[in-house]
Amino acid sequence: EDQVTQSPEALRLQEGESSSLNCSYTVSGLRGLFWYRQDPGKGPEFLFTLYSAGEEKEKERLKATLTKKESFLHITAPKPEDSATYLCAVQVLYNFNKFYFGSGTKLNVKP
Amino acid sequence: DTEVTQTPKHLVMGMTNKKSLKCEQHMGHRAMYWYKQKAKKPPELMFVYSYEKLSINESVPSRFSPECPNSSLLNLHLHALQPEDSALYLCASSQDQGAGYEQYFGPGTRLTVT
Repeated sequence: EDQVTQSPEALRLQEGESSSLNCSYTVSGLRGLFWYRQDPGKGPEFLFTLYSAGEEKEKERLKATLTKKESFLHITAPKPEDSATYLCAVQVLYNFNKFYFGSGTKLNVKP
Repeated sequence: DTEVTQTPKHLVMGMTNKKSLKCEQHMGHRAMYWYKQKAKKPPELMFVYSYEKLSINESVPSRFSPECPNSSLLNLHLHALQPEDSALYLCASSQDQGAGYEQYFGPGTRLTVT
């Protein structure tokens, strides 16, 4: 059965305290793994797409990496404005290229 | 520009009302999506249009009726909804429904059914 699991469910960090969020998946035929940021009551904001194991993408304080079984979103020296829920989604070869979302990690960065 | 717009931002409707949600994108994307999101849950796919034709219907109740008038517009017609249909309704678009294309989401419509 296809599964996408994100951990931890919630994460509290002090400003400047680096950490990583995890997205593990058990799917066949991965076509892409996508990271999104979602603020309360708003639509998800696209961050990164990763296509193959070993790939890395960076944007400001965020860096996403991909292995054959999981992806990490590394947050370096976070600021309070990085507080949000981070969602990962996997797209599989079969089933009309639908996105399968994880449940998200709620990040809270305290000043 | 990666903007998807949705109207209205908020909607309160009774169980006997008929209303519509609207979504627009001007990125030339050929795939458009409706998702439903309940509090503290991930988005849940409802419908997909590809090249203005309905591609996926995730067994959504008939009280939700999608429409794609043209390649830039997507509507969701609502009729006889139930209180449990209250949620954030998100529209998204992507260059194509094919593999590897990221989806861009609109800000959502917060729907409350009374």
